[in-house]
Amino acid sequence: RKEVEQDPGPFNVPEGATVAFNCTYSNSASQSFFWYRQDCRKEPKLLMSVYSSGNEDGRFTAQLNRASQYISLLIRDSKLSDSATYLCVVMAGNTPLVFGKGTRLSVIA
Amino acid sequence: EPEVTQTPSHQVTQMGQEVILRCVPISNHLYFYWYRQILGQKVEFLVSFYNNEISEKSEIFDDQFSVERPDGSNFTLKIRSTKLEDSAMYFCASSEPRDRGPPLHFGNGTRLTVT
Repeated sequence: RKEVEQDPGPFNVPEGATVAFNCTYSNSASQSFFWYRQDCRKEPKLLMSVYSSGNEDGRFTAQLNRASQYISLLIRDSKLSDSATYLCVVMAGNTPLVFGKGTRLSVIA
Repeated sequence: EPEVTQTPSHQVTQMGQEVILRCVPISNHLYFYWYRQILGQKVEFLVSFYNNEISEKSEIFDDQFSVERPDGSNFTLKIRSTKLEDSAMYFCASSEPRDRGPPLHFGNGTRLTVT
């Protein structure tokens, strides 16, 4: 079965900490990769796309390792407002998005 | 910023009843989707819709489910005879013509409770 696997957490970190989430995917035909953020009982919102060369958006850095079928998200200088569930999302060609179950992050004051 | 809107925000229904969940996608989007999320579980794809027809559907989307775009603005999901296991959050999403994938714009969801 083609799936996206994530460590469910929760990750409880103090403000200012750096935290990293990992994700593995089983479909080697996957071509597009994303991190979404989901607050409790809310809709998923796109955080960032993940590019082959890795990419950064402010405090957030995403990496992709196609050979290992592995994606990561690094959050630096965690804020209280970063508390949410982070969803790893994968797409092969024009097939629908496949979501991981998510990793829950709690940033503590 | 344009939004996908969904109504109602919460729907309670009895097992065996029909429900219709409504969505208004972003106006220039051409691709429409329904996803669902059972409490504590992952977001799951149900169906995609383009050019007034279903383009893809998952094994969850059985004969009890149907979608419609009745008037060029609304996009509806109908469940003919609800079961307890249909209780979930249902998200509508839409995307622009160039991109069938992200950025998908999700609505804020309808929580369906089947009793």
